[in-house]
Amino acid sequence: EVQLVESGGGLVQPGGSLRLSCATSGFTFNRYWMIWVRQAPGKGLEWVAKINQYGSEGYYAESMKGRVTISRDDSKNSVFLQMNSLRGEDTALYYCARDADSGHALSHWGRGTLVTVSS
Amino acid sequence: ESVLTQSPGTLSLSPGESATLSCRSSASLSNIYIAWYQQKPGQAPRLLIYGASNRAAGIPDRFTGSGSGTDFTLTISRLDPEDFAVYYCQQYGDSFGPGTTVEIK
Repeated sequence: EVQLVESGGGLVQPGGSLRLSCATSGFTFNRYWMIWVRQAPGKGLEWVAKINQYGSEGYYAESMKGRVTISRDDSKNSVFLQMNSLRGEDTALYYCARDADSGHALSHWGRGTLVTVSS
Repeated sequence: ESVLTQSPGTLSLSPGESATLSCRSSASLSNIYIAWYQQKPGQAPRLLIYGASNRAAGIPDRFTGSGSGTDFTLTISRLDPEDFAVYYCQQYGDSFGPGTTVEIK
């Protein structure tokens, strides 16, 4: 069974940093793109970042470009999101998701980790 | 980067009725990059449709995706009580639409 479990969220002051982790199991991790998606309270989904299966290419949404870095560690079957210079508008539930086998879509999602940016 | 819009914002329907959800892109997209997701309160999104018209594993055949270019549609026939949720379209690897809420009338 494919599983994705996010961790690392919490309360952080504006301007602070957090590193989110997503531990995965149940599939061959190094064969898939991995994606972070966030959802502010009561709002819609927003794509944040994605990384290719080799870890050589990372792409970022304009809203977070320059403040986030996505990375992966295949030895740990994990993907990470380093977030810096956090703002109130970054408050959201951050989901980790996996690329689908059969198409360009996100077939598996974690339950999310909540990031709250507030003083 | 294309912008996705969804309409209507909210659909109020009764179980057994059909729902037609629209997703429009500001630029023409390849079908292979359009996906639809369902999200219920307190849950992660669930993939319904990929490649504009292909049902994901385990998705009932009352969910049908169609469209091309800039106009895409998700049709839910014979609404089941479990289908009342928020639906998002996505240009894969990129932006999501703002969502359509399908609520019980």
